[in-house]
Amino acid sequence: QKEVEQDPGPLSVPEGAIVSLNCTYSNSAFQYFMWYRQYSRKGPELLMYTYSSGNKEDGRFTAQVDKSSKYISLFIRDSQPSDSATYLCAMSAIQGGSEKLVFGKGTKLTVNP
Amino acid sequence: AAGVIQSPRHLIKEKRETATLKCYPIPRHDTVYWYQQGPGQDPQFLISFYEKMQSDKGSIPDRFSAQQFSDYHSELNMSSLELGDSALYFCASRGQGPNEQFFGPGTRLTVL
Repeated sequence: QKEVEQDPGPLSVPEGAIVSLNCTYSNSAFQYFMWYRQYSRKGPELLMYTYSSGNKEDGRFTAQVDKSSKYISLFIRDSQPSDSATYLCAMSAIQGGSEKLVFGKGTKLTVNP
Repeated sequence: AAGVIQSPRHLIKEKRETATLKCYPIPRHDTVYWYQQGPGQDPQFLISFYEKMQSDKGSIPDRFSAQQFSDYHSELNMSSLELGDSALYFCASRGQGPNEQFFGPGTRLTVL
């Protein structure tokens, strides 16, 4: 079993829809939670970073962390065609200062005009 | 704002050849991470450096080595290349404080 599970989709929604992306994890040592957006053949772009349970909002994006359930979510409001990309959740623990990222498989999202 | 720079962006090599990938972190970032992303896969951690010292090692083959230099740039050296080494190689950098890792555009390595 992978440490981080993420439904790969693909997910297809109409423009303006609310998108919900989710990851579960098994390692209780994970303390930092991130969402990256990756366009085809490009580097992952950091969207959201959280380190505590609860919600964090940034524009149309809301990241939610529930450490008790080992579950994180990313919500995208008023989705746009430009949001079409693969969304990767990533997590890290504190291990001797390394804090390497462990990624989910990524969910491919298409927002249709 | 300055981002992570990687070079070359594309590299084609034959089996058993060597390759060197370079990474220039964001200015004032002292930590560099290397990740490998195969086709349709998530990035896998290879190795990291903090203040020019190796800080962690992941699933990096013995054929690969890396280092971080005094100007904080890093190089990933890959020898005896195999077909399975074909992938996107990303470098990420972070500064002091929160574990926000910023990725470069990647080097696409193709081994023929």
